[in-house]
Parts: sequence; structure tokens; C-alpha cells
Amino acid sequence: QKEVEQDPGPLSVPEGAIVSLNCTYSNSAFQYFMWYRQYSRKGPELLMYTYSSGNKEDGRFTAQVDKSSKYISLFIRDSQPSDSATYLCAINPQEKLTFGTGTRLTIIP
Amino acid sequence: GAGVSQTPSNKVTEKGKYVELRCDPISGHTALYWYRQSLGQGPEFLIYFQGTGAADDSGLPNDRFFAVRPEGSVSTLKIQRTERGDSAVYLCASSLWVNTEAFFGQGTRLTVV
Repeated sequence: QKEVEQDPGPLSVPEGAIVSLNCTYSNSAFQYFMWYRQYSRKGPELLMYTYSSGNKEDGRFTAQVDKSSKYISLFIRDSQPSDSATYLCAINPQEKLTFGTGTRLTIIP
Repeated sequence: GAGVSQTPSNKVTEKGKYVELRCDPISGHTALYWYRQSLGQGPEFLIYFQGTGAADDSGLPNDRFFAVRPEGSVSTLKIQRTERGDSAVYLCASSLWVNTEAFFGQGTRLTVV
């Protein structure tokens, strides 16, 4: 079983819609959960970071961790065409990042 | 520099050749990481350095892959006897310390023909 699994999509939604991106992870001991955004032909950039469980909000973005079901989510409100990118969830066991496969998101104007 | 710099941006090489990929981390960052990203996949860990030493090289796929960071700054990823399966984007990241935010370069796109 992979340490973190992510629906690869692709996902296309109209501008202004709420987007929900999801991952599951295997080890209940994991404490740090991250979401990265990767534009085409660029390196990933850290978008959100949460520790343990609960919600964290930053502008239009909300990261949520449900430790009971080992499920992590990223919500994007009022989606914009500039949000079109690949979104990667990540955990960091043992000082290195383990990424999901990434979900390719397209926001249609 | 302002960010992590990787050179070259693109590299095309013939099967069996040797290649070197370079990473210039953010100044002052002590930790440096190499990842490999295949098409449609997330980055996969290869190796990380804390200072000059390789703290964890468990992700290197085989002994054709080797990386160095001799002065604790610039790092070079070396691939011997390249194979078509080595084709991927090789990403470098650096962070101030281990377990702090990692900043990625734009990657080197390696194509083995």
C-alpha cells in the first residue's frame, strides 16, 4: 500500500466553483500534511501546511485533515483560471517528502 | 540567488552516456534534496544532504546514480550509463534546516534517446 494516494483526475470546473481535492494516507502516525501547487514546467511550491488534525484557512484555500479516516482535503473557493495547475498532497516521514500522484485541475473561464 | 537554480533546464542524451545535473540551492540553506518526477506522477525522493554529507540516499534507484555536495552548497546529480527509463524531470529543493519548508527549482528535464 502506498503511503499516500491521490485521485489523479483530471478535474475541470467552471470559474467561481468550489473545488475539493483529496488524498488518503496509510500510517496514522503521520502528523504533518502539505499541499503543493505545481504549474506546468515549474517546480512544486508549498501552498498549505497543517499539523495533526483540523482545518487551516488561508484566503480562498482551506486544508482539512481527518485523522480518524486518514483523509486530507484541500478546498478552493471562488476558483480562478490562475488556479489551474497540478495539486500535490504530501507527507514527510523521516525528513523527506512523500507525494501523491497529483491532481491536474483546470478552471474554465 | 533568489531561488533554487537548476542547470541545464533540458538535457537530451543518448542511451549509455553519462550526465551531470547541477543544483544551486538558496544561499544559507543547509538541507538539499533531489527528487525525480515522471510524467503524470508526483515527485519521488532520491537523496538528501545535510551539509556536505548524504543523510539519506535510500531513494537512489541503483548504483548508476550518485550525488555529491562537496562544499555544502552546490550539488551535482550524476547518472552513469543512462537508460531510456531514466527520462524524467529531476527536481532539486533546499530548506534552511531539515523539516523546514523546502523550496523547489524548476527542474531539469532529462530525455534519454
